[in-house]
Amino acid sequence: DTGVSQNPRHKITKRGQNVTFRCDPISEHNRLYWYRQTLGQGPEFLTYFQNEAQLEKSRLLSDRFSAERPKGSFSTLEIQRTEQGDSAMYLCASSARQGAPPYEQYFGPGTRLTVT
Amino acid sequence: LAKTTQPISMDSYEGQEVNITCSHNNIATNDYITWYQQFPSQGPRFIIQGYKTKVTNEVASLFIPADRKSSTLSLPRVSLSDTAVYYCLVGDMERDYKLSFGAGTTVTVRA
Repeated sequence: DTGVSQNPRHKITKRGQNVTFRCDPISEHNRLYWYRQTLGQGPEFLTYFQNEAQLEKSRLLSDRFSAERPKGSFSTLEIQRTEQGDSAMYLCASSARQGAPPYEQYFGPGTRLTVT
Repeated sequence: LAKTTQPISMDSYEGQEVNITCSHNNIATNDYITWYQQFPSQGPRFIIQGYKTKVTNEVASLFIPADRKSSTLSLPRVSLSDTAVYYCLVGDMERDYKLSFGAGTTVTVRA
C-alpha cells in the first residue's frame, strides 16, 4: 500500500455513459498525476496537477475527459460519453515537491474501466 | 524524454541474479535513470534511481557506466514474487513531471 487510494477499483459501464473516478493522494503531496494503461503497454501520461492547478494535459485527454483537483486535495477524472476504446486501467500517482533526488511518484492501485 | 530500449522479456530461476540492461543513447546532462516495477493489477512501484556510477538500496542495484548511454538494473537472488514488469525511464525527473513508460521488460522467475 503506497498511501494513494483510488475508487472504485473496478467499473463496468455501457457505451455512452459518463463515469467518474476518484484519487486520494498522500496527504502532504502537492503533485498529482493521472495515467492510462492498456493491456501489454506501460502507463501513458494523461494530466498533471500542482496543488489545484492543472498544469499539463496530454493530447490523449480528449474533450470527453476532464480532471479536477479542488483545494489541492483529492482529484476526480471524469469521462463523458464513454467509448469502448476508453477501456483501460486508470492510474493516479502523487509526489511531493522536492529539490533533491530521488524523484519518485507513488502510484495508486488503479481503476479498471470496462466499457461494454 | 530520452528514448529507452530494454528487452521485452527475461526468464530466470529462484535464487539467481537478474540483470536488465536499458539503452538510452541520447540521454541528456540533466537526465536521471529510474526503474519502476509493476505487478499485475497494481500500479507501478519505484525501485531505484541514479545519475551516475552505482546506486544500491535494499532491493536492487543500478549500474551506470561513465558515458551513461546504458544502465543495468540488478536484482539479487530473485524469488517467485519478483515476477513482474520492470520499466526503465530516463528524463529530467525534477522538471519532467510526467513519466514516459515504454513496454517494459517482463521478468518471469521460475521455481
